[in-house]
Amino acid sequence: NAGVTQTPKFQVLKTGQSMTLQCAQDMNHEYMSWYRQDPGMGLRLIHYSVGAGITDQGEVPNGYNVSRSTTEDFPLRLLSAAPSQTSVYFCASSDRPWGQETQYFGPGTRLLVL
Amino acid sequence: AQSVSQHNHHVILSEAASLELGCNYSYGGTVNLFWYVQYPGQHLQLLLKYFSGDPLVKGIKGFEAEFIKSKFSFNLRKPSVQWSDTAEYFCAVNAEASGGSYIPTFGRGTSLIVHP
Repeated sequence: NAGVTQTPKFQVLKTGQSMTLQCAQDMNHEYMSWYRQDPGMGLRLIHYSVGAGITDQGEVPNGYNVSRSTTEDFPLRLLSAAPSQTSVYFCASSDRPWGQETQYFGPGTRLLVL
Repeated sequence: AQSVSQHNHHVILSEAASLELGCNYSYGGTVNLFWYVQYPGQHLQLLLKYFSGDPLVKGIKGFEAEFIKSKFSFNLRKPSVQWSDTAEYFCAVNAEASGGSYIPTFGRGTSLIVHP
């Protein structure tokens, strides 16, 4: 199993550009989520999905869109990039509702918005 | 809203020193507690977790954590650190929200540097 994969690893954008961060998992997990990691801020939940076709907002959803058309994939879209979105983005998945379940993280995408 | 506090933002130790990283949360209901570790250049991975039973839980690589309900704490400990423990450590709490679902909240993280 590859686990959770993310592409790209690095990306530089100009303000106003749009892009999609890809996330895929091969563990047949129902729960998937996107976090951003900023220095001194820890991980903050952007959006999450509890299954194909179902998504919901996390703590910091503004400026981001998600969709979940398949169990495996959970892309994160930046609609119009802003310097404040410079961050490291992590995708995670878990087998069942968060409760007691461990989250499995991808390697992250480093995004710089100029 | 629930919150997770990690009091030590940066910790520098020599090899063989003992480690304790603090984690407190603000939620009075049912919680499930986690410590994740992020080694340099790697993704986050689980160190240990607690959801019921013995409040002293043991994880990988000699780490342990103690859940003290009365103090809303879940501190991470290791009696003797190694250079390879250099990493960032995150405390996370899955707290029960309305409708029986759980939402995860992460602390700010503690950066640990161990000198050889």
